[in-house]
Amino acid sequence: EMQLVESGGGLVQPGGSLRLSCAVSGFTFSTYWMSWVRQAPGKGLERVATVNEDGNEKFYVDSVKGRFAISRDNAENSLYLQMNGLRAEDTAVYYCARGQHTSVVWGQGTLVTVSS
Amino acid sequence: QSALTQPPSASGSPGQSVTISCTGTSSDVGGYNYVSWYQQHPGKAPKLIISEVTKRPSGVPDRFSGSKSGNTASLTVSGLQADDEADYYCSSYSGSHTLGVFGGGTKLTVL
Repeated sequence: EMQLVESGGGLVQPGGSLRLSCAVSGFTFSTYWMSWVRQAPGKGLERVATVNEDGNEKFYVDSVKGRFAISRDNAENSLYLQMNGLRAEDTAVYYCARGQHTSVVWGQGTLVTVSS
Repeated sequence: QSALTQPPSASGSPGQSVTISCTGTSSDVGGYNYVSWYQQHPGKAPKLIISEVTKRPSGVPDRFSGSKSGNTASLTVSGLQADDEADYYCSSYSGSHTLGVFGGGTKLTVL
């Protein structure tokens, strides 16, 4: 069974940092693009970052460029999102998802709340 | 990259059909046959129900169908059931070196 399990969310003050992790099982992680998709409370979906199979190509939505960094460890079957300089508008559920544009496998999400 | 345009709400009675539109531009929906649709129930992760405009992943009922004309894609749900009540999001490929783009979502109510 394909499974993505996110962790690392929580409450952080504006300007703070968090590192999200996504543990992958049930498919060959190293052969797929992976993404982080977020959903602010009551709002729609937004793909914020994506990384290619070997980690050499990375793309970000404009609003997080320079603050967020996506990475992966194929040996550990894990995806990461380092989030720095967090803002209130980054408050959202963050989903780990397989694929660059189309995602057939999703995690359950982890909530990030940015508030003082 | 601007979001794709979806109606905020749609509704239908059990057994009826409903169609949800998703309008983009020639740079996304109109330019590629890579439109996807996701179903999301409250508090749950999105579920892929249509990929590449018309393809249904294994396990998705054939009551769900997709199509595209020009810059507008559509999702049709036939034989509406109570469990179809959910939010539906479209997304489209928008070229290499991009993240793709989502629609704003449509809340489907089964009356």
